[in-house]
Amino acid sequence: DGGITQSPKYLFRKEGQNVTLSCEQNLNHDAMYWYRQDPGQGLRLIYYSQIVNDFQKGDIAEGYSVSREKKESFPLTVTSAQKNPTAFYLCASSIYGQGPYEQYFGPGTRLTVT
Amino acid sequence: AQTVTQSQPEMSVQEAETVTLSCTYDTSESDYYLFWYKQPPSRQMILVIRQEAYKQQNATENRFSVNFQKAAKSFSLKISDSQLGDAAMYFCACHQGGSEKLVFGKGMKLTVNP
Repeated sequence: DGGITQSPKYLFRKEGQNVTLSCEQNLNHDAMYWYRQDPGQGLRLIYYSQIVNDFQKGDIAEGYSVSREKKESFPLTVTSAQKNPTAFYLCASSIYGQGPYEQYFGPGTRLTVT
Repeated sequence: AQTVTQSQPEMSVQEAETVTLSCTYDTSESDYYLFWYKQPPSRQMILVIRQEAYKQQNATENRFSVNFQKAAKSFSLKISDSQLGDAAMYFCACHQGGSEKLVFGKGMKLTVNP
């Protein structure tokens, strides 16, 4: 079955450590996205990538980094510079360049930093 | 800047009754797409329905339909014959033509009472 996988579902880290969240898709989508979700805040865009080896900052990119070496994969690194990293992180993908532009989401990763 | 507003943070409905969720948006573009996503307690984001701005006819998907008022920039979701499984967070989102980003509202929690 085609879809998006994110692992792990729950992740715990100590403050000051970098952590990488995995996102893989087999939908053959060109575009991939990372969102952060906090209570009462909706979804906020961290980074997105429209094509391999290229990505753009979203609205809240500070303290995060990404790579897009393969079409299927778009890992997100939460660095120690991110001041409040505890959140629910969602990865999504979509067809690039043509409508209807709906995004397909993975199941998410809950990151807790203490 | 593009914005999406969901003014009601919570609503409740009796099972089998009808409920309408409101959403307004602001965009300067003439070509855009609108979406309603559902996020049940599992936190998996699921596309409920989409509307292309150039289409005058309101979209419908089984028990879900929209009331798209382009001039008023309003995009409400009607859920008919509400079921317990409809209980979730509902997010309204707008995709602007030419951009690869979705802008989400802050969401609305729907409770379905048996």
